[in-house]
Amino acid sequence: NAGVTQTPKFRILKIGQSMTLQCTQDMNHNYMYWYRQDPGMGLKLIYYSVGAGITDKGEVPNGYNVSRSTTEDFPLRLELAAPSQTSVYFCASSYQGINSPLHFGNGTRLTVT
Amino acid sequence: KQEVTQIPAALSVPEGENLVLNCSFTDSAIYNLQWFRQDPGKGLTSLLLIQSSQREQTSGRLNASLDKSSGRSTLYIAASQPGDSATYLCAVGGETSGSRLTFGEGTQLTVNP
Repeated sequence: NAGVTQTPKFRILKIGQSMTLQCTQDMNHNYMYWYRQDPGMGLKLIYYSVGAGITDKGEVPNGYNVSRSTTEDFPLRLELAAPSQTSVYFCASSYQGINSPLHFGNGTRLTVT
Repeated sequence: KQEVTQIPAALSVPEGENLVLNCSFTDSAIYNLQWFRQDPGKGLTSLLLIQSSQREQTSGRLNASLDKSSGRSTLYIAASQPGDSATYLCAVGGETSGSRLTFGEGTQLTVNP
């Protein structure tokens, strides 16, 4: 039972570099989410998707992009990394959006220097 | 805008004690409320989901209550164990926020043997 898998677990980027955080789930969930968690803070929603081909902005979308070409995969793209994007990024999925429990990956810890 | 607050930020108790974690929210127009557990370096695990029409949910030694009118939820942990040590977060699904959850900052619980 893999659930939600995120790669990589850790990454250090230089300012201005780009990267893609990978997220895949094997539960056939339509809803998928990207959150960021800063130290001592709650989670902030970056982007979410209610199904393949459909994405929408969350609270803090600036500096990020997403795509959802399949039900399983929901990658998050950082185009021009900035120190403010240093954070822990979590991907999550659910069967019925917020009306069912969210399943989280173990996160990607990103440092931008 | 919905705001979710969890007090205290940290709590330390001896093993065997019954304890209550608090969560308050500013907008009572909610769909539901979820309680999560987060272990260090890991993602979140959903513990309990309470729909707005419910007053409480139970799972094992955990009991979560919801009082929409006062904007409050509590998570009761009976007979605490060292394995319960973790950060506990609550998240609110609002009627006007679509597929979004608003998270509190969490309470870091330490249960001492």
